[in-house]
Amino acid sequence: KQEVTQIPAALSVPEGENLVLNCSFTDSAIYNLQWFRQDPGKGLTSLLLIQSSQREQTSGRLNASLDKSSGRSTLYIAASQPGDSATYLCAVGGGGSNYKLTFGKGTLLTVNP
Amino acid sequence: NAGVTQTPKFQVLKTGQSMTLQCAQDMNHEYMSWYRQDPGMGLRLIHYSVGAGITDQGEVPNGYNVSRSTTEDFPLRLLSAAPSQTSVYFCASSWDSPNTGELFFGEGSRLTVL
Repeated sequence: KQEVTQIPAALSVPEGENLVLNCSFTDSAIYNLQWFRQDPGKGLTSLLLIQSSQREQTSGRLNASLDKSSGRSTLYIAASQPGDSATYLCAVGGGGSNYKLTFGKGTLLTVNP
Repeated sequence: NAGVTQTPKFQVLKTGQSMTLQCAQDMNHEYMSWYRQDPGMGLRLIHYSVGAGITDQGEVPNGYNVSRSTTEDFPLRLLSAAPSQTSVYFCASSWDSPNTGELFFGEGSRLTVL
C-alpha cells in the first residue's frame, strides 16, 4: 500500500526566504506526482504535475523535483511572500492503482511579513 | 469558467437522515471522484467514476452511494447519516485519469452529523 509522508508538518519563515518542502513515498512505481495548495476553508489547487519520466517542473517561483528511485520529491519556493501562506499537499498516482491518488497530510506554511 | 461546482457548501444533518451532495463539472472530464478530508487523516478517496455509467469504490466507500448518469454530474448520496460521516467532502475531476493529468477540485462541502 502506497504511503506518502510530508515533513515538516508546519513551517514558519520570514518573508523573502527561500524554502523547501519535502514529500516521500514508499512505492516507487508511480505514474506521476502532484503538488497542491489549499487555503483555509477552500479546495485544493494544483500547482505542479510531474510525470514519472520527468525530473522536475517549474512554474514561476515554484520548482518541484522528483527522484523516483529514492521515493522523494521536493517543492522549492523562492523569495517567499505572505500570500504563499497555505497548506501544501503532495499526492502520487499509481503504486498499485490506476485511478487513485494517495495524498500526504500536508505542510502548513506561514510566511511572516 | 466554473470548473468543479459543489453544493451545498454547508449542511447539518441528524443521525439517520439522508442527503445528496451535488457535484458538477463543465470541463468535459471523464474522471470524477469524491474525497473526504478529516483532521489527521488527510484526504481519502470514497468513490470514483471513469465515465458515464461507470463507478467504482475507493478506500472508504461504506455508507455512501454514487451514480454517474451524465458526464457532467457525479452526486454523492448518504442514505443514513452517522456522526462518523462528519467531514469536509471534495469532488475532483480530471480529463482522463489522475495518473495522467491534473486533478481539479471543487470548493468543498462541510457536513456535520449530529
